[in-house]
Amino acid sequence: DSGVTQTPKHLITATGQRVTLRCSPRSGDLSVYWYQQSLDQGLQFLIQYYNGEERAKGNILERFSAQQFPDLHSELNLSSLELGDSALYFCASSVEGTSGHEQYFGPGTRLTVT
Amino acid sequence: AQSVTQLGSHVSVSEGALVLLRCNYSSSVPPYLFWYVQYPNQGLQLLLKYTSAATLVKGINGFEAEFKKSETSFHLTKPSAHMSDAAEYFCAVSQSASKIIFGSGTRLSIRP
Repeated sequence: DSGVTQTPKHLITATGQRVTLRCSPRSGDLSVYWYQQSLDQGLQFLIQYYNGEERAKGNILERFSAQQFPDLHSELNLSSLELGDSALYFCASSVEGTSGHEQYFGPGTRLTVT
Repeated sequence: AQSVTQLGSHVSVSEGALVLLRCNYSSSVPPYLFWYVQYPNQGLQLLLKYTSAATLVKGINGFEAEFKKSETSFHLTKPSAHMSDAAEYFCAVSQSASKIIFGSGTRLSIRP
């Protein structure tokens, strides 16, 4: 158990819908990262937050957005969903947002868009 | 730009045999390097991390990796494979404060 929690574990929704994925980092970790894992794209970095502020963006679509709240939990919002958005979405956390600090991954949310 | 290349998307070894998973990195400055393991239907778990303190890094579950700057490699090894080692393994490099770059992964299968 990494100490990172994600809800829900599974999510099935239809195209065009909007969903919210939730992540609680390990106690004491200030930085949260979101990743998308799919068979064809592999593990893709989406976005990072550090202590409530957006720090870096990766391959995140404009239809996707995220935020980190004062209690440091984070939410990833996915809207206008397409079939291709079906994937595993992982949240990870680290003590700080600096290089060299390993990231601890949650168990993931499996999103299926039908 | 930093990148990671994992040679071999699938490696199969016999139980008790040596495990060798290859990783080469590209980085303009000394990097931080990681190996993660992902068991089916689970998140990624850190196996080990290189931070320049020692070139041979020991991790969990009997795995170790050696940093070779001249070869820009960070291969993962385990002397004797167990059935429980079957999983997907990811090499990763971190150079900036913002993110870790993951390789495409190597699926390790263990033959009885």
